[in-house]
Amino acid sequence: ELVLTQSPGTLSLSPGERATLSCRASQSISSQLAWYQQKPGQPPRLLIYGASSRATGIPDRFSGSGSGTDFTLTISRLQPEDFAVYYCQRYGTFGQGTKVEIK
Amino acid sequence: EVQLVESGGGLVQPGGSLRLSCAASGFTFSRYWMSWVRQAPGKGLEWVANIKEDGSKLYYVDSVKGRFTISRDNAKNSLYLQMNSLRAEDTAVYYCGREIPGGAANSDYWGQGTLVTVSS
Repeated sequence: ELVLTQSPGTLSLSPGERATLSCRASQSISSQLAWYQQKPGQPPRLLIYGASSRATGIPDRFSGSGSGTDFTLTISRLQPEDFAVYYCQRYGTFGQGTKVEIK
Repeated sequence: EVQLVESGGGLVQPGGSLRLSCAASGFTFSRYWMSWVRQAPGKGLEWVANIKEDGSKLYYVDSVKGRFTISRDNAKNSLYLQMNSLRAEDTAVYYCGREIPGGAANSDYWGQGTLVTVSS
């Protein structure tokens, strides 16, 4: 059974800073990884699929990288609207989430 | 504009049943895999089930196998989730999602969700 482990659990940063989020798979999953953003009371929003392809309408400050077991979501310069919880996913498995909060 | 609207949630006693619906519009429903994902209060996302474009393939998370049934009616542009033998741990907001073609069950559009509460 695949397990996706996200780190850190919480990331405290200031607007304008760079955010680096990690998702580690318990077995190789090639490039089959997506990233979502979720804000309170809202459904998830697809950011990245196929490990590095941005979904429609996603700003280019969001980028994904990695393959195999180690994946990274990078937000180059945090905007106020980027403070949220981020999840990785591959088929029927989600990571536990990383909360990006304002420092 | 792509729209997904869930309905059918509510309060139900343990052991009871509910049928969730998801009405789709703004795209050719019959050309997409569809998913249900849930989120318990204050918790993370949990994938529940998905269904192939023509309904010929169905997949479930282990915790709902034998209790939940995903189905679709392409003529009505609708997705369903029949939930039987409900347990307290099924309490969650249930979202339907449209999967991107060729993805790993990743959804690019979601409804706003419907809350299911299982409690006596």
